[in-house]
Amino acid sequence: KNEVEQSPQNLTAQEGEFITINCSYSVGISALHWLQQHPGGGIVSLFMLSSGKKKHGRLIATINIQEKHSSLHITASHPRDSAVYICAVRSIQGAQKLVFGQGTRLTINP
Amino acid sequence: NAGVTQTPKFQVLKTGQSMTLQCAQDMNHNSMYWYRQDPGMGLRLIYYSASEGTTDKGEVPNGYNVSRLNKREFSLRLESAAPSQTSVYFCASSWDRATDTQYFGPGTRLTVL
Repeated sequence: KNEVEQSPQNLTAQEGEFITINCSYSVGISALHWLQQHPGGGIVSLFMLSSGKKKHGRLIATINIQEKHSSLHITASHPRDSAVYICAVRSIQGAQKLVFGQGTRLTINP
Repeated sequence: NAGVTQTPKFQVLKTGQSMTLQCAQDMNHNSMYWYRQDPGMGLRLIYYSASEGTTDKGEVPNGYNVSRLNKREFSLRLESAAPSQTSVYFCASSWDRATDTQYFGPGTRLTVL
């Protein structure tokens, strides 16, 4: 079983819909990251969380440490949000290592 | 401010050939990383350098070597390429482990025939 599991693996929605991507992990962590990989391949860090909730524009990330679960929400989705969203965790035993989920491919249709 | 740059963007090798992937960052970051990304799998850490002068193995180091040439540059070498090393390679950097946000280069798509 992977240490980091994302769901769904693929998600297609219509412009304007509220989007939720989930990330569950099985190890103790010091931080969780959400990243975005554009269709051209570039990877950008969106959030780093160790507790609670963070918001940036239409993106909201939450984490529940007790349940070992995080969600990434996109409000008023737009076709430009189409990308692969990746969850990654830093294990408390892991030295420099980030463990990455497989990613969720999001497609927003106009 | 270019961030993290990687060269080349694309490369095709024959089995047994060698090559070096170059990475440079201009953000004065202490830590640098090399990852590979394969279809259906998450990014996996090959090697990292916590600070200038140090390097350590990651999750999948076999078949690779690295050099932290100076604070800016971190190169990845394939001594004898194998088809299993066909992948997309990403370099990343961060201030340090505590700060943690990693900044990624654009990637190198490598095919080994």
